[in-house]
Amino acid sequence: AQKVTQAQTEISVVEKEDVTLDCVYETRDTTYYLFWYKQPPSGELVFLIRRNSFDEQNEISGRYSWNFQKSTSSFNFTITASQVVDSAVYFCALSEAYGTGNQFYFGTGTSLTVIP
Amino acid sequence: EPEVTQTPSHQVTQMGQEVILRCVPISNHLYFYWYRQILGQKVEFLVSFYNNEISEKSEIFDDQFSVERPDGSNFTLKIRSTKLEDSAMYFCASSQLGDRGRETQYFGPGTRLLVL
Repeated sequence: AQKVTQAQTEISVVEKEDVTLDCVYETRDTTYYLFWYKQPPSGELVFLIRRNSFDEQNEISGRYSWNFQKSTSSFNFTITASQVVDSAVYFCALSEAYGTGNQFYFGTGTSLTVIP
Repeated sequence: EPEVTQTPSHQVTQMGQEVILRCVPISNHLYFYWYRQILGQKVEFLVSFYNNEISEKSEIFDDQFSVERPDGSNFTLKIRSTKLEDSAMYFCASSQLGDRGRETQYFGPGTRLLVL
């Protein structure tokens, strides 16, 4: 079973539109950590945010916001007023505190294209 | 801002040849990781390394793979006899602590390996 599911393979939006990228995770641990990474066309993985399972407070950073809901095991990422530079593949990742150590489990990624 | 660096950025090799991928983790980090991403697919964990030994490895990390920290700064991944299916982007990552998943892993820019 997939630990992290990103059901949206590709999304295209027109510049200035808002877009939400979905992430659903699965874990038996009560303590875990969730991450979002951005992979621009150049290929590197850029860290965006980390969330621990005890903190369900939503977070906003500029045009980015994250909605963490334990009840639905989701950690969705919204970009407000999208820009062309937001075009990238976005990965959600899970790390569990117990049992399996430090490895990150990545979703399959959502490719976002922002059309000017 | 400190960052993880990787060399080379691209490597082309013949099947059966040995390759060594190099990484310089962030200087005060203690945990090191290798991940791979086959083209168009998700990022997969290979191995984590702490205190000069492997702390965790995945099923992908078979006897053809080895890791080493030959000096105080470099962290290497060796593929002893490359196969066509080893063609992928290989990411090195590091974190300050392992701390059972809670630490953010910072990724290098990747080495794109092509096995012919």
